[in-house]
Amino acid sequence: DPKIIQKPKYLVAVTGSEKILICEQYLGHNAMYWYRQSAKKPLEFMFSYSYQKLMDNQTASSRFQPQSSKKNHLDLQITALKPDDSATYFCASSQEGDRGYEQYFGPGTRLTVL
Amino acid sequence: GQGVEQPDNLMSVEGTFARVNCTYSTSGFNGLSWYQQREGHAPVFLSYVVLDGLKDSGHFSTFLSRSNGYSYLLLTELQIKDSASYLCAVRRPNYNVLYFGSGTKLTVEP
Repeated sequence: DPKIIQKPKYLVAVTGSEKILICEQYLGHNAMYWYRQSAKKPLEFMFSYSYQKLMDNQTASSRFQPQSSKKNHLDLQITALKPDDSATYFCASSQEGDRGYEQYFGPGTRLTVL
Repeated sequence: GQGVEQPDNLMSVEGTFARVNCTYSTSGFNGLSWYQQREGHAPVFLSYVVLDGLKDSGHFSTFLSRSNGYSYLLLTELQIKDSASYLCAVRRPNYNVLYFGSGTKLTVEP
């Protein structure tokens, strides 16, 4: 059974629209993250959460808003979509504290903005 | 990118070894992780190092030199299925944020 679920797997959106990327983890972790990977760019950290609280945000744009309704959920809402937002978005989780270097990644949501 | 550098490509031969290099800026270092990523799939954790020296984990070994801002991942007895991208990620003191290199695509030939 998959331990980290991301939905949908593929997503096509039009410029200016709004989408929500879903992430659920069943590893019992209290820390969750979002990363983005664009073509020919490094995997880029976006947000980290611990016990449903935002710990770090390195996304310049307020168009990206994480939402944590339950401790094993961390969704990502993206508003006013732009073609540059096209990328694969990975959710990850880890144990708290010092073990946070071992992060488990979900399968990703590949977003294409037309 | 993000102060973590890796060569783009590396080729080696089945049954031999490959060394994937990673250099990083040394300010704010709190350990370095290695991940494997196959095309179209998520990164998978391989190893973590925070102390200088060689850490032997069988098929994968990792080396770290903090004073030089340098690490490598050594894969031995290569198999075709080891063909993948290998990402190094530096952990900075801020909360469990990993800064990834762009990855080295390893191709293992017969």
